[in-house]
Amino acid sequence: GAVVSQHPSWVICKSGTSVKIECRSLDFQATTMFWYRQFPKQSLMLMATSNEGSKATYEQGVEKDKFLINHASLTLSTLTVTSAHPEDSSFYICSARGTGVLSYEQYFGPGTRLTVT
Amino acid sequence: TQLLEQSPQFLSIQEGENLTVYCNSSSVFSSLQWYRQEPGEGPVLLVTVVTGGEVKKLKRLTFQFGDARKDSSLHITAAQPGDTGLYLCAGLADDKIIFGKGTRLHILP
Repeated sequence: GAVVSQHPSWVICKSGTSVKIECRSLDFQATTMFWYRQFPKQSLMLMATSNEGSKATYEQGVEKDKFLINHASLTLSTLTVTSAHPEDSSFYICSARGTGVLSYEQYFGPGTRLTVT
Repeated sequence: TQLLEQSPQFLSIQEGENLTVYCNSSSVFSSLQWYRQEPGEGPVLLVTVVTGGEVKKLKRLTFQFGDARKDSSLHITAAQPGDTGLYLCAGLADDKIIFGKGTRLHILP
């Protein structure tokens, strides 16, 4: 149980284009999802917290107009990187937090490797 | 600001040796999780500890939550190359999950 999927697993796009990454909780409902960014050999950096049906909360220094987050249902959150630039190339990971007995644990997706050329 | 300090940041040891990774904070956590992440993959939850003083074992891995619920340790016995990875601790406090910066472990065959 508690499986989180991400799609795509990797994507290459040209500078200036937008890329959408999906995060799904497959066997549980996630009231809260988190989006992280990870650079090589570094830990996770929280970008934003996404709550179903409300606006995402962004961490300091993260541009909300560049990283659009939509949490349309209890099982799906999307991150759209708009007007991507090479410096946006990174490993993006989502996690989902459940309800009830799952509410104090986060389950991570497998990550999406974004390369902007 | 709540912080989770992990130590050491890097550890490279020979196969068969024992090691301990620490996760410390001045804050009290409702629960604490340990994750392991391998390159190119998302972190995988290893264990959650909830009660102060709690000890959990997962094969050769032993996890302990401090009595005051401010710190935790991960002890690996007879490390194997398959234990190589980034180990992350994460604590829940005030409905927010805080991550440590991780311990990068490399086990040499």
